[in-house]
Amino acid sequence: QKEVEQNSGPLSVPEGAIASLNCTYSDRGSQSFFWYRQYSGKSPELIMFIYSNGDKEDGRFTAQLNKASQYVSLLIRDSQPSDSATYLCAVKTLTGGGNKLTFGTGTQLKVEL
Amino acid sequence: DGGITQSPKYLFRKEGQNVTLSCEQNLNHDAMYWYRQDPGQGLRLIYYSQIVNDFQKGDIAEGYSVSREKKESFPLTVTSAQKNPTAFYLCASSMDLKQTQYFGPGTRLLVL
Repeated sequence: QKEVEQNSGPLSVPEGAIASLNCTYSDRGSQSFFWYRQYSGKSPELIMFIYSNGDKEDGRFTAQLNKASQYVSLLIRDSQPSDSATYLCAVKTLTGGGNKLTFGTGTQLKVEL
Repeated sequence: DGGITQSPKYLFRKEGQNVTLSCEQNLNHDAMYWYRQDPGQGLRLIYYSQIVNDFQKGDIAEGYSVSREKKESFPLTVTSAQKNPTAFYLCASSMDLKQTQYFGPGTRLLVL
C-alpha cells in the first residue's frame, strides 16, 4: 500500500463547478497535511496546509481533514480554467530521524469552458 | 525579492559525467531539501540538511552527493554512479524541519 494515495485523474469539471480532490494516507501518526498545485513543467506551489480535524477555508479553497478515516481533501469552489493543474497531496509524519514529508503522485484537474 | 533560485533551468549530462545543480535561497531558512520528480511518480527525497555543515540521506541518495557550506546554498551533484538521472530536480527550503517547505523553480536534467 502506498503511503499517500491520490487518484491520478484527469478529473474534469466545468467552469464554475466545485472540484473535489481526495487523498488517503496510511500512517496514523501523520501530523500535518499539505496541498500543492503544480502547473505543467513548473515546480509545486503551496495552496494550503491543515493540522486539525475539520475544515479550513482560504478563499475559493477548502481543505478537509478526517484523521479517523485517514483522509484529506481539497475543494475548489467556482473552478476556473486557471485552476487546471496537478494537485499534490503531501503528508508530514514524525519519524525517528525527524519529520518526513511524503508526497502522493498527484491528481490532474482539468477545468473546461 | 526573497525566494529560492535554481540553476540552470535545463542541464544536459554526458555518459560518465558528474554535474552539479545549484540551489540558493535568501529566505533565511535553516532547512533545505533536494527532491527528484519522475513522470507518474511522487516527489522523492534525495538529501536534506537542517543546518550548515550537516546533511542527511533521503530515500534515494545513491548516486548523488551534496554539501552545505553556507546557509544560503545547497548544491546537488549527480554523479556518474546515478544510472538513470533524467528527471526534474526540485530544491526546497523551510524555516526548520517542522515547517512548511517551499520549492524553487526546478532543474530539468537530460542525458545525451
